[in-house]
Amino acid sequence: EIVLTQSPGTLSLSPGERATLSCRASQSVSSYLVWYQQKPGQAPRLLIYGASNRATGIPDRFSGSGSGTDFTLTISRLEPEDFAVYYCQQYGGSPFTFGPGTKVDI
Amino acid sequence: EVQLLESGGGLVQPGGSLRLSCAASGFTFSSYAMNWVRQAPGKGLEWVAAISGSGGTTFSADSVKGRSTISRDNSKDTLYLQVDSLRAEDTAVYYCAKGSSSWYNDYWGQGTLVTVSS
Repeated sequence: EIVLTQSPGTLSLSPGERATLSCRASQSVSSYLVWYQQKPGQAPRLLIYGASNRATGIPDRFSGSGSGTDFTLTISRLEPEDFAVYYCQQYGGSPFTFGPGTKVDI
Repeated sequence: EVQLLESGGGLVQPGGSLRLSCAASGFTFSSYAMNWVRQAPGKGLEWVAAISGSGGTTFSADSVKGRSTISRDNSKDTLYLQVDSLRAEDTAVYYCAKGSSSWYNDYWGQGTLVTVSS
């Protein structure tokens, strides 16, 4: 089973600041990695697929990078609506594991 | 517009069974893989099971393997998850999610809560 580790666990920032979230895989997943955003009481929303491709309707302040075992989600300038929990997930092979999440709060 | 509506959640006794359903609309259901993902109260996301568009390929997490069955009825645009021998640790919101061109999810339902308790 591929284990995903996300860091930091919590990121305390202010609107307008840059957020850098990390996801590390225990073995290579090539580019088969996605990022989701989840707000309290809501279902997750797809942000990034294929490690670096923005999903439909996602603002360009969200960007993803990386391949193999190390991945990064960057939010260039935080908007108030970006404060949420972010999860990475690998889909390179079953089980399609999630990371534990990074909470971005004010 | 893609819509996914889960049903079948509720209070279940330990050792019991349940069958969750997910009614899909707004896309060609049989063309896409589907997933179940759960989230225990206050916890992170846990992938549970996946099924290909035809239903011919399925995967499941070790936590439910041997006591769960994912299935679909493409004539009814409906996804199912049967879970037996329920345990307290199965308590979670269960989300139905649409696969995209691969096994990741581009649309999610709002979830159905399953509580396993006596």
